[in-house]
Amino acid sequence: DQQVKQNSPSLSVQEGRISILNCDYTNSMFDYFLWYKKYPAEGPTFLISISSIKDKNEDGRFTVFLNKSAKHLSLHIVPSQPGDSAVYFCAASFQGGSEKLVFGKGTKLTVNP
Amino acid sequence: GAVVSQHPSRVICKSGTSVKIECRSLDFQATTMFWYRQFPKQSLMLMATSNEGSKATYEQGVEKDKFLINHASLTLSTLTVTSAHPEDSSFYICSAIGGGNQPQHFGDGTRLSIL
Repeated sequence: DQQVKQNSPSLSVQEGRISILNCDYTNSMFDYFLWYKKYPAEGPTFLISISSIKDKNEDGRFTVFLNKSAKHLSLHIVPSQPGDSAVYFCAASFQGGSEKLVFGKGTKLTVNP
Repeated sequence: GAVVSQHPSRVICKSGTSVKIECRSLDFQATTMFWYRQFPKQSLMLMATSNEGSKATYEQGVEKDKFLINHASLTLSTLTVTSAHPEDSSFYICSAIGGGNQPQHFGDGTRLSIL
């Protein structure tokens, strides 16, 4: 029973274009969502988060959108850069992120020069 | 920024060996540390949550006698895989969280291979 789903295992975009990574969840009790980026042989690095009381959070080139009614969130990266190539994990949590994280399987993003 | 150090990064050992993995928060005091495991092509799955000075809380299906967790200080948690067998081969990764509204910060993980 996977509570957090990333249905696209991979995504390829051109440099300068927008990357959109999607994530769906099933548990409506999740109240905090995070995106992590992971390079090979390294641990996940925190990227951006959003509380369930918001529908958008922006940090530089990265924007996360949350649609609670659809139980869907997305990460937009614009403009995409080759250095953004990595595996992106969506995670959900309770109690503002201080509790355990439930992860999706990840989406491998490749940004082509 | 916050740094979590995990050691060793890779272990290869014989079946029956016990393996200890260390997780340290380098520039903050971690009130809580988490241990995750990832099998190939699967998501990170939480194994246990540990708070300094108290017993770890294990997720359903994780054997506490098999995976011993010690959180002896606010900067160090250890995971010991006792009498490891080939089915314990996996990627183990820790995370730590300090006070306030901070996200979990992850170590670089340990690739455990049991022959």
